[in-house]
Amino acid sequence: GAGVSQTPSNKVTEKGKYVELRCDPISGHTALYWYRQSLGQGPEFLIYFQGTGAADDSGLPNDRFFAVRPEGSVSTLKIQRTERGDSAVYLCASSGRVNTEAFFGQGTRLTVV
Amino acid sequence: GQSLEQPSEVTAVEGAIVQINCTYQTSGFYGLSWYQQHDGGAPTFLSYNALDGLEETGRFSSFLSRSDSYGYLLLQELQMKDSASYFCAVRSETNAGKSTFGDGTTLTVKP
Repeated sequence: GAGVSQTPSNKVTEKGKYVELRCDPISGHTALYWYRQSLGQGPEFLIYFQGTGAADDSGLPNDRFFAVRPEGSVSTLKIQRTERGDSAVYLCASSGRVNTEAFFGQGTRLTVV
Repeated sequence: GQSLEQPSEVTAVEGAIVQINCTYQTSGFYGLSWYQQHDGGAPTFLSYNALDGLEETGRFSSFLSRSDSYGYLLLQELQMKDSASYFCAVRSETNAGKSTFGDGTTLTVKP
């Protein structure tokens, strides 16, 4: 596609459930980033991939969060045993190289009830 | 670690010029980026400064002073569509893939 695509756009889940958030980056982009954004705040770094490997996962808040990018394109952010505090907009971005302009998707709004 | 400060809100009138400041504290600095985000939308890249000085892109300019740990975004000939949130973000010197964002400045442009 022309831009970064994230699905679903909205996800409501019950506390304790497992969720998967998907990101389709711009074709050919090797770097892929996950951020999350709470209301009134800036995006908070979670993890970034260079190709298939996670180059930096220092932003993942705890071991309930995990992300994969098995073929170096689509990425999935996985959250286990969701908590109400996980509610936020999860943003994905991609770039041609790691230190060039990043293009963001529209995000997935996750609500844990 | 890294932290950034920017004003929470700025208001200006159509056609005016507005400057949004950003000061940062960082253990390692690679560059300063600016993003625009409309309500409910995706952050959109505006500009990037790695070196001191002014970068100009149309109506938007961005400035960086590394010695002062300070930068600003300058918006000229303001239009109603410029009403949005603006974020500065610092890239880590040791890890260019990791950006730390400020909490954003909400710009309201009035007629």
